[in-house]
Amino acid sequence: DAGITQSPRYKITETGRQVTLMCHQTWSHSYMFWYRQDLGHGLRLIYYSAAADITDKGEVPDGYVVSRSKTENFPLTLESATRSQTSVYFCASSEQGARVFGYTFGSGTRLTVV
Amino acid sequence: KQEVTQIPAALSVPEGENLVLNCSFTDSAIYNLQWFRQDPGKGLTSLLLIQSSQREQTSGRLNASLDKSSGRSTLYIAASQPGDSATYLCAVSGTSYGKLTFGQGTILTVHP
Repeated sequence: DAGITQSPRYKITETGRQVTLMCHQTWSHSYMFWYRQDLGHGLRLIYYSAAADITDKGEVPDGYVVSRSKTENFPLTLESATRSQTSVYFCASSEQGARVFGYTFGSGTRLTVV
Repeated sequence: KQEVTQIPAALSVPEGENLVLNCSFTDSAIYNLQWFRQDPGKGLTSLLLIQSSQREQTSGRLNASLDKSSGRSTLYIAASQPGDSATYLCAVSGTSYGKLTFGQGTILTVHP
């Protein structure tokens, strides 16, 4: 199906472990984003990518690593998970064109670090 | 640093009422503003996008206005329905490609 798929939907991991959240889009959108959503903070941008092999930091990048070897995939890796990274993570994509772009969000990954 | 504030934080209304959700932002140098809807446990759905040069956008029972100079936007929902119950999020972008800064949302409950 067309759209954005995030996996897994739910994940429990232990402090110090590495965990990777997957994001796959079928729109062929140029831009992809990772946000985290927390009570009291709302949604905050972690990393974004303008195209394959082009990534940049957002507001809260510390402790996270991203890669984008293919346009359709944008995985987010927590190198050594901490309890403060317990959150709901959303992947999104957009396409810029004629000053109008569509913005599509995935269904989210709920990550718990114990 | 851009900051986005939404008022009220929560709103409960009877079915059929017209209602207004408010959004304010501190830096008027925005490229566009979007309103999203989020249902519990779900992702975000884009409702309306207003370019910085526009004053308003309409989609069905929804109307969003933008006053860039004063840093304000309103989302007007006409004839509210229980199915409109959700969290409504306002987000602004300072770039053309959508690096968004979000408000914390308004939780709307429409009861029959």
